[in-house]
Amino acid sequence: SQQGEEDPQALSIQEGENATMNCSYKTSINNLQWYRQNSGRGLVHLILIRSNEREKHSGRLRVTLDTSKKSSSLLITASRAADTASYFCATGITGGGNKLTFGTGTQLKVEL
Amino acid sequence: EPEVTQTPSHQVTQMGQEVILRCVPISNHLYFYWYRQILGQKVEFLVSFYNNEISEKSEIFDDQFSVERPDGSNFTLKIRSTKLEDSAMYFCASSVRRELETQYFGPGTRLLVL
Repeated sequence: SQQGEEDPQALSIQEGENATMNCSYKTSINNLQWYRQNSGRGLVHLILIRSNEREKHSGRLRVTLDTSKKSSSLLITASRAADTASYFCATGITGGGNKLTFGTGTQLKVEL
Repeated sequence: EPEVTQTPSHQVTQMGQEVILRCVPISNHLYFYWYRQILGQKVEFLVSFYNNEISEKSEIFDDQFSVERPDGSNFTLKIRSTKLEDSAMYFCASSVRRELETQYFGPGTRLLVL
């Protein structure tokens, strides 16, 4: 498998429910960032978590990082129809300069 | 809130033609990047740029590609002789510093090579 794989590939929930997306990676990282992309549009930065952090919150978003398992999760609480988008994790790799390596993404659909 | 801007939003070109994609990074940022996303695929790193030179590039960024910061605000990606497989969304990004910093992305330029 490749650096940065999200799970599940697609997720469909009802408005008001929580959505959890997972990201696994292979190599040691400096940081992990989550981005949102609406269909055919640009990448919107959601949250950055550093390798020495375990959890971060931003509004309805909660991100966790487990470097021992090389995994991260993004939780969106009380989802809204406007949260419908693709969500990507991107890792900054230790010794990898400043490039980001993106995952395959989770397509989230929030239905009314 | 400052943001990265890109022009044009869409470009259609003939195979073999040169294209220049333009970006205006956030004004106090020092690191600039180009990524691309072929339809239905992952976002891929192309190149990073700092202090008027390339700091890192991927295997995709071959001799057909070049980047330039022609003035204090613009950051351009040139593809000298486009190929069909260059069709993709091209994203510019910028960050204040290097590692451990958020990269802010522009809205992208959708390039279609016919």
